[in-house]
Amino acid sequence: AQKITQTQPGMFVQEKEAVTLDCTYDTSDQSYGLFWYKQPSSGEMIFLIYQGSYDEQNATEGRYSLNFQKARKSANLVISASQLGDSAMYFCAMREGRGSNTGKLIFGQGTTLQVKP
Amino acid sequence: GAVVSQHPSWVICKSGTSVKIECRSLDFQATTMFWYRQFPKQSLMLMATSNEGSKATYEQGVEKDKFLINHASLTLSTLTVTSAHPEDSSFYICSALNRVGTYGYQPQHFGDGTRLSIL
Repeated sequence: AQKITQTQPGMFVQEKEAVTLDCTYDTSDQSYGLFWYKQPSSGEMIFLIYQGSYDEQNATEGRYSLNFQKARKSANLVISASQLGDSAMYFCAMREGRGSNTGKLIFGQGTTLQVKP
Repeated sequence: GAVVSQHPSWVICKSGTSVKIECRSLDFQATTMFWYRQFPKQSLMLMATSNEGSKATYEQGVEKDKFLINHASLTLSTLTVTSAHPEDSSFYICSALNRVGTYGYQPQHFGDGTRLSIL
């Protein structure tokens, strides 16, 4: 069965420093997609970054980058130069279904990040 | 970017009331919409997958008679919590997928969620 695991319930980081949020996954599919979402205390889910299983390069979006290690089945999110506004809950998710036809996502447990001034 | 509107943001009502939550894709056609439930400090729990023009697919353990889902058009899906009770109080959030192209690289676009409190 497909599964996403985030082992860090909570993380602290000093403002302007980089932080890595861990995510491991388990799937027997060869084709899959990995996503990171940010959820501030207000509740909305904000899409951050996507990595496809066949993508050869790690995805980057501004201050966000994804450290994709396929053999280890890990897709860690790296946030560089943390800002106070980065304080939120972060979810790693995997697209379920061969060929991604279902569009269904499986979410990890989430990591709460707090940025200290 | 793709925008999903969810309404209402907050609902407080008495036990026994039925509550309808709307999820609209504003600038794209959504063949598929998803409904999630989230408890404080926990992950999103998928309740059902809603496809336009067909019956919703409910996840195991979700009562389809309690949580009625209708996806009448490519831009609107509704979740009705029937005869709501205090244990139904939660944060409900919808998402939508753009029908254009394949799903592989497209993110789900989420509404802002609805906080439901049943007294």
